[in-house]
Amino acid sequence: DGGITQSPKYLFRKEGQNVTLSCEQNLNHDAMYWYRQDPGQGLRLIYYSQIVNDFQKGDIAEGYSVSREKKESFPLTVTSAQKNPTAFYLCASSIDLSGNIQYFGAGTRLSVL
Amino acid sequence: GQQVMQIPQYQHVQEGEDFTTYCNSSTTLSNIQWYKQRPGGHPVFLIQLVKSGEVKKQKRLTFQFGEAKKNSSLHITATQTTDVGTYFCAGPYSSASKIIFGSGTRLSIRP
Repeated sequence: DGGITQSPKYLFRKEGQNVTLSCEQNLNHDAMYWYRQDPGQGLRLIYYSQIVNDFQKGDIAEGYSVSREKKESFPLTVTSAQKNPTAFYLCASSIDLSGNIQYFGAGTRLSVL
Repeated sequence: GQQVMQIPQYQHVQEGEDFTTYCNSSTTLSNIQWYKQRPGGHPVFLIQLVKSGEVKKQKRLTFQFGEAKKNSSLHITATQTTDVGTYFCAGPYSSASKIIFGSGTRLSIRP
């Protein structure tokens, strides 16, 4: 069953803590993306990657980091430098970066304790 | 920078009424995509328009791409409660080969 899997569904972060959100895809897509969505708002691009071991900052990369060690995996770390991390985080993938259709995971809701 | 704007931000309609959302880009787009996000869910791809002036239909949904490829619309005829959600348009960045999402139109329906 092909698709994108995000985990966990809900995550709580303590003050000063780094947390990592998982995103795995079995669609054999080259491009992967991380978006942040605040309540009632649109999608803002955090990071994106076209190939393994390469990624680019999006519009709101500060306080976040990513890695792309495998084609299937694109984890996002929300660092302690991100002072307002409470949001809905969405991972997506597409065949490549040339404006193609994006397929989204179910998302992770991150809250601060 | 490149922007994609959507109006209205919210629309509350009586079930059975029609609904339209409009999408406008500051630059010409090679294609426009539409996504639907149900409350509490994730965006799901609906359709992609590529040609100038293109019109596509999916049952009660009609999608249009403007002649100048800078605007688009989504029209729903005779809304049903299953249409509730936020509708986003999205188009490719001109220079960086990724897509930019509009701010979305949230549709709510009175039964």
